[in-house]
Amino acid sequence: QVHLVQSGAEVKKPGASVKVSCKPSGSTFRGFRMHWVRQAPGQRLEWMGWIHTDNGNTKYAQKFQDRVTITRDTSASAAYLDVRSLRSDDTAVYYCAREYCNSGSCFFYLDYWGLGTLVTVSS
Amino acid sequence: HLEVTQSPSASASLGASVKLTCTLSSDHNSYAIAWHQQQPEKAPRYLMKVDSYGRHTKGDGIPDRFSGSSSGAERYLTISSLQPEDEADYYCQTWGADLAVVFGGGTKLTVL
Repeated sequence: QVHLVQSGAEVKKPGASVKVSCKPSGSTFRGFRMHWVRQAPGQRLEWMGWIHTDNGNTKYAQKFQDRVTITRDTSASAAYLDVRSLRSDDTAVYYCAREYCNSGSCFFYLDYWGLGTLVTVSS
Repeated sequence: HLEVTQSPSASASLGASVKLTCTLSSDHNSYAIAWHQQQPEKAPRYLMKVDSYGRHTKGDGIPDRFSGSSSGAERYLTISSLQPEDEADYYCQTWGADLAVVFGGGTKLTVL
């Protein structure tokens, strides 16, 4: 059974940065795309970007490409989401999700989700 | 411009069936989508992928009560024999030629 284990809740002040981690268990780390999706309180799911765990290629939603960096550490088998210059409207649950890939091809649907990391931005 | 539209809410009685709809923008009616379920206060869970032919690929442990189909630009999720635990938000997810992912606004399903 695949689980995506995320780091714990964070409380940050406006203007600060936050780094959230995601580690798969029950599955290999390499050969997939890992996505980040956030959900503000009472709001819809909002896609932020992805990273390919093999080559480190990334793709970001236009809204986030100036303030967000997604990285991976293959030795730690973990993916990371960095959000800079935090504002109160960045308060949300941040989810990592794995994209289904098979034999070197990826298919763009997210087949496993982490439990989420709550990031609260408050002065 | 790729867009995905869902009705904000739906309701059906316990034990009945319900069909949720995800509508792709007209230039993208050949695209596949994925359905995700989000029960209250929980993380989303992948249900299935549905292609333009109506073929669906379910996630691990998804009951037979859940099925997918297609017609034109519409992709459907049908849930039969509704159970209390089916009360949830259901999100449609697709992806564009620019490799970006798009979510619909979600449908809140109430089981009466």
